[in-house]
Amino acid sequence: AQSVTQLDSQVPVFEEAPVELRCNYSSSVSVYLFWYVQYPNQGLQLLLKYLSGSTLVKGINGFEAEFNKSQTSFHLRKPSVHISDTAEYFCAVSVSRNNNDMRFGAGTRLTVKP
Amino acid sequence: NAGVTQTPKFQVLKTGQSMTLQCAQDMNHEYMSWYRQDPGMGLRLIHYSVGAGITDQGEVPNGYNVSRSTTEDFPLRLLSAAPSQTSVYFCASSYTGRDGYTFGSGTRLTVV
Repeated sequence: AQSVTQLDSQVPVFEEAPVELRCNYSSSVSVYLFWYVQYPNQGLQLLLKYLSGSTLVKGINGFEAEFNKSQTSFHLRKPSVHISDTAEYFCAVSVSRNNNDMRFGAGTRLTVKP
Repeated sequence: NAGVTQTPKFQVLKTGQSMTLQCAQDMNHEYMSWYRQDPGMGLRLIHYSVGAGITDQGEVPNGYNVSRSTTEDFPLRLLSAAPSQTSVYFCASSYTGRDGYTFGSGTRLTVV
């Protein structure tokens, strides 16, 4: 089955600095990739997704991610973070032949400091 | 448009008790899933459904049952609660899966 590894459990960063949250996946077949954000005591919200086509995808709140098939990565980036970006971020993968079976990484806690 | 509604928000059970976590969506989504979230482990898929009358097991199905009698509802049943089932449970729905899932706000369950 497919799997996801988020390489950093915690990422502290100062306000207005750039940030990259790293995600690697494993699958023997073609995949769909997602990033979700979870604010405290809330459910998950979709940030962006890669299905096919352009490898650079843009999402909400100024986030973007790049699909790299050769490195099996899907890293999330933002050029300038705000205090309000403090949250838990999850990378997820499903295989194109079974959209239901979506697997999540363990999450990365992004803390933006003033 | 309420999205995905989960009830209750909090629940404490004694070991061996049974209960049902409710999930309802009003978006006419065919795909629905149940996840549990544990610290450091992300979300793990318990059961999922691709439409009324159709369900299947995910990564961690043991101790849980589901049914899908209508498009809107997808309840999760704990047959005999165990402390290992202490977790936060999320229900999610989607049109096709590939468009991404809409999540409920979660049920925090404690089994003592």
